[in-house]
Amino acid sequence: ETGVTQSPTHLIKTRGQQVTLRCSSQSGHNTVSWYQQALGQGPQFIFQYYREEENGRGNFPPRFSGLQFPNYSSELNVNALELDDSALYLCASSYGRGGREQYFGPGTRLTVT
Amino acid sequence: QKEVEQNSGPLSVPEGAIASLNCTYSDRVSQSFFWYRQYSGKSPELIMSIYSNGDKEDGRFTAQLNKASQYVSLLIRDSQPSDSATYLCAVLYTGTASKLTFGTGTRLQVTL
Repeated sequence: ETGVTQSPTHLIKTRGQQVTLRCSSQSGHNTVSWYQQALGQGPQFIFQYYREEENGRGNFPPRFSGLQFPNYSSELNVNALELDDSALYLCASSYGRGGREQYFGPGTRLTVT
Repeated sequence: QKEVEQNSGPLSVPEGAIASLNCTYSDRVSQSFFWYRQYSGKSPELIMSIYSNGDKEDGRFTAQLNKASQYVSLLIRDSQPSDSATYLCAVLYTGTASKLTFGTGTRLQVTL
């Protein structure tokens, strides 16, 4: 069984730039959720994709957007990067629309300078 | 606003002792509760899930749920130095999305 993978591992961007983060879900899972974890905080829900459609969104501005592909992999795009976007971005996969147990990938550490 | 509260710690216990981690949540409708372990610089790892009142045991870990008191706890028996990590309590809210709301985590230190 293949676990959740994310790329890249680390990324450094400049304020105002755009970034794309990628996630491959665990085999057999069809739901992907994205979370942002700032230093010293718990992860915060950004949005969730189920069968290629956005299935819910947290309190993040529209410059955070995403996609899910037919193979259930997913992308998180962030436009007009701000310094406060510096964080660990986590992808979690689960099974089903109401899937309860979510398994996290290793994360992408984004630094905005 | 739905909240999950944890003591940030650090909680220091000697090797071999029982570590007790606690969590309270605000929404009575919540039905699913999780404990994640997060080592420094790593991502959260799911270690326990609990859905009904009472205790659930898995190896050295026991999760306890009391919905009336809106309280979840995690007991780690025979604590080992490798258990030193931050433990995140998470509550699943199901609406349009099934999203996890996390506490800020409790840092556990197991001393030799």
